[in-house]
Amino acid sequence: AQSVSQHNHHVILSEAASLELGCNYSYGGTVNLFWYVQYPGQHLQLLLKYFSGDPLVKGIKGFEAEFIKSKFSFNLRKPSVQWSDTAEYFCAVIPAYSGAGSYQLTFGKGTKLSVIP
Amino acid sequence: DAGVIQSPRHEVTEMGQEVTLRCKPISGHNSLFWYRQTMMRGLELLIYFNNNVPIDDSGMPEDRFSAKMPNASFSTLKIQPSEPRDSAVYFCASSLEAGEDEQYFGPGTRLTVT
Repeated sequence: AQSVSQHNHHVILSEAASLELGCNYSYGGTVNLFWYVQYPGQHLQLLLKYFSGDPLVKGIKGFEAEFIKSKFSFNLRKPSVQWSDTAEYFCAVIPAYSGAGSYQLTFGKGTKLSVIP
Repeated sequence: DAGVIQSPRHEVTEMGQEVTLRCKPISGHNSLFWYRQTMMRGLELLIYFNNNVPIDDSGMPEDRFSAKMPNASFSTLKIQPSEPRDSAVYFCASSLEAGEDEQYFGPGTRLTVT
């Protein structure tokens, strides 16, 4: 079974600072990768996803992530954060193919981002 | 589309009572997922359905939890009897096809068992 590790539990940044949130996964096969965001009191929304192709993917609100297969990583980045980016960010992975017929999307524990105006 | 709809949004109940959470997936989506979110354990997949059939229920905590999907537009998650440790936010999500597409999440049901 796959697992996802997010390195930082809570990150505090000032507005305009650059952001990088780490995500590593473990799985022996091909995976699809996602970053979801959960704003305070709201449900999860998709920020970006990687299925195949260019390993640098761009998402909404200026976010991007880079898939580095050799490092099993899918780090999230944003060059300049805003106060409105305060939220919890979840990395998730799902096997691209499932011989056993089970497609379980596995989430990391999440990273809380607090942006100080 | 209205997105994934969940009801109720908040539920407060006493220990031992039966609780039923409801979900309406996005029309045309073939896969439906139930998750539980707590501070201690994060987001956990409880069960998912593909074409109304339960595929993986390995995340269901115990026999007190059951889920059904009688048709493509409705699913329930039932807890009977409920316990204080069941207090959490329960999310429903749907996708076109499991594994191939992003999942769209509902607003969640915040369950408090006293």
